[in-house]
Amino acid sequence: ETGVTQTPRHLVMGMTNKKSLKCEQHLGHNAMYWYKQSAKKPLELMFVYSLEERVENNSVPSRFSPECPNSSHLFLHLHTLQPEDSALYLCASSQDSAGEHGELFFGEGSRLTVL
Amino acid sequence: GQNIDQPTEMTATEGAIVQINCTYQTSGFNGLFWYQQHAGEAPTFLSYNVLDGLEEKGRFSSFLSRSKGYSYLLLKELQMKDSASYLCAVRDGDYKLSFGAGTTVTVRA
Repeated sequence: ETGVTQTPRHLVMGMTNKKSLKCEQHLGHNAMYWYKQSAKKPLELMFVYSLEERVENNSVPSRFSPECPNSSHLFLHLHTLQPEDSALYLCASSQDSAGEHGELFFGEGSRLTVL
Repeated sequence: GQNIDQPTEMTATEGAIVQINCTYQTSGFNGLFWYQQHAGEAPTFLSYNVLDGLEEKGRFSSFLSRSKGYSYLLLKELQMKDSASYLCAVRDGDYKLSFGAGTTVTVRA
């Protein structure tokens, strides 16, 4: 138990569907992240929110839309996805962006399959 | 762009030592992290280096040379539960943590 909870753990959707991934952190952290993990590839940073404001957006296609209503919750809204978007989507949080550690605490991920 | 390289796979025997190397070329440097990820689970933090030298934490140690853009993770007295993927990551800005593709370590009895 890392203190970061993601739902759903598994999601199968068609290319015309609209779905959302949810992340909740119980650690009192002030930054939250979405990463994409594909097989044999490095984790790709998608979005970063600090104190509910987006501070990083790594040229992610507009079919992925993040939402951070408060410092404990993060959503990733999905629409008109492509099969190549099938991957494990990891949410993470951290207390500080820099400093001694600022390490990320990850959730267990949402496994997305786009048909 | 960022370039972080680590071997894809390593195999070792229970009780042995394994060293996982990581080389990086990034636009900035604000610390290097190692994470462990068991299959189907979340990555978990192992170690952090920001100054040159060796950091030891029980059976795990991590080394950093900033001038060489090089780090290694040393796993001693290997146990079966150490079979996992090990991720090298570099913070090159305030928030951005760039990851290598990971090294899958298999521990054999």
